[in-house]
Amino acid sequence: QVQLVQSGAEVKKPGASVKVSCKASGYTFTSYGITWVRQAPGQGLEWMGWISSYNGDTNYAQKLQGRVTMTTDTSTSTAYMELRSLRSDDTAVYYCARGSYMDVWGKGTTVTVSS
Amino acid sequence: DIVMTQTPLSLSVTPGQPASISCKSSQTLLHSDGKTYLYWYLQKPGQSPQLLIYEVSSRFSGVPDRFTGSGSGTDFTLKISRVEAEDVGVYYCMQGIHLLYTFGQGTKLEIK
Repeated sequence: QVQLVQSGAEVKKPGASVKVSCKASGYTFTSYGITWVRQAPGQGLEWMGWISSYNGDTNYAQKLQGRVTMTTDTSTSTAYMELRSLRSDDTAVYYCARGSYMDVWGKGTTVTVSS
Repeated sequence: DIVMTQTPLSLSVTPGQPASISCKSSQTLLHSDGKTYLYWYLQKPGQSPQLLIYEVSSRFSGVPDRFTGSGSGTDFTLKISRVEAEDVGVYYCMQGIHLLYTFGQGTKLEIK
């Protein structure tokens, strides 16, 4: 079955970087892009950006421009989201989802930013 | 960015009764290709969000037919004909016409 398996929880200090992975299975990886969404504690969903698994094209949310990089490794069917210069308000659950309209979701990766 | 505004932000419904959530966008979601890129998601407690409706009114695979999406342009509605206990959670609309997608604030559905 179609699955997206995300990497485990991370605890980072302010100013550090985090890289979350999302391994796809059960479908042809390059046929769908990957969207990243985050959810701060007790808050709603925030669209972070999208990457084409076919050619690597990306669209990032304006507020994250310059701090986020999304990449894919087609040899392992894995997508990555790196967020740099972490702040306390980056503390959130980070989800990857298949495609631009997100029909399959990963279980989420908790990233905690704390000194 | 396109702003998505949902109302109400919360509702409490007796099982078997209908429920309705409104979602308004700050710009039309009708694309030049003729499609309208409005989606609905449900996030059940402790779970990842799940796709319910795509392109205004198309039910995703496995979604019960008690869920109906409607609307056009900038005004959209998600209706649940008869609420069941398993429908509790937070419902989000999302626009997908602009390259920078945006979600509504979410509507929390509780059972009375």
